[in-house]
Amino acid sequence: AQTVTQSQPEMSVQEAETVTLSCTYDTSESDYYLFWYKQPPSRQMILVIRQEAYKQQNATENRFSVNFQKAAKSFSLKISDSQLGDAAMYFCAYRSGRSQGNLIFGKGTKLSVKP
Amino acid sequence: EAQVTQNPRYLITVTGKKLTVTCSQNMNHEYMSWYRQDPGLGLRQIYYSMNVEVTDKGDVPEGYKVSRKEKRNFPLILESPSPNQTSLYFCASSPYYSNQPQHFGDGTRLSIL
Repeated sequence: AQTVTQSQPEMSVQEAETVTLSCTYDTSESDYYLFWYKQPPSRQMILVIRQEAYKQQNATENRFSVNFQKAAKSFSLKISDSQLGDAAMYFCAYRSGRSQGNLIFGKGTKLSVKP
Repeated sequence: EAQVTQNPRYLITVTGKKLTVTCSQNMNHEYMSWYRQDPGLGLRQIYYSMNVEVTDKGDVPEGYKVSRKEKRNFPLILESPSPNQTSLYFCASSPYYSNQPQHFGDGTRLSIL
């Protein structure tokens, strides 16, 4: 069975600085998708970024980028120029390319942004 | 506006009193799913549905029921709620293909006394 591990329960970053959130996963599959979701205090689940396993190029969305290391099964999220609005819980998630749709989540990392 | 709508947003009830949390999506998605979120455990899948009349258990299905009679609706039923089902619940939907991200509802906070 696939598992997703986020080893940092809490992280803190100074406003305007850069922070990296870690995520590792375990799978024997070659076809899968990885996602980062943000959950602000409003508790909505907001998609931040996604990565297809077959793509070597790391995904980027504005200030958010990933470092996808397929061999190491690592999928870290980098937030550049951190803003107060980035404070939230961040969840890493895995989705198999075979089974339609089931997301497997990590336990989350709570990010605080200091002004 | 494309959205997943859950109701109620908050509910406090007592042990054993049947309740239903509704979920509706307007995006014509085939796939729908229910998750519960507990502190330190992340989100865990309760049940999911690939399409109308097709449902299957997730990781934590005990004490829950679902049905999918229409494509847009996927209610979660707690027939005899217990305090260990106190949690934050999310409904999500997506197109059939797994490369598409799931769209989440705003969550339902359930407290079972």
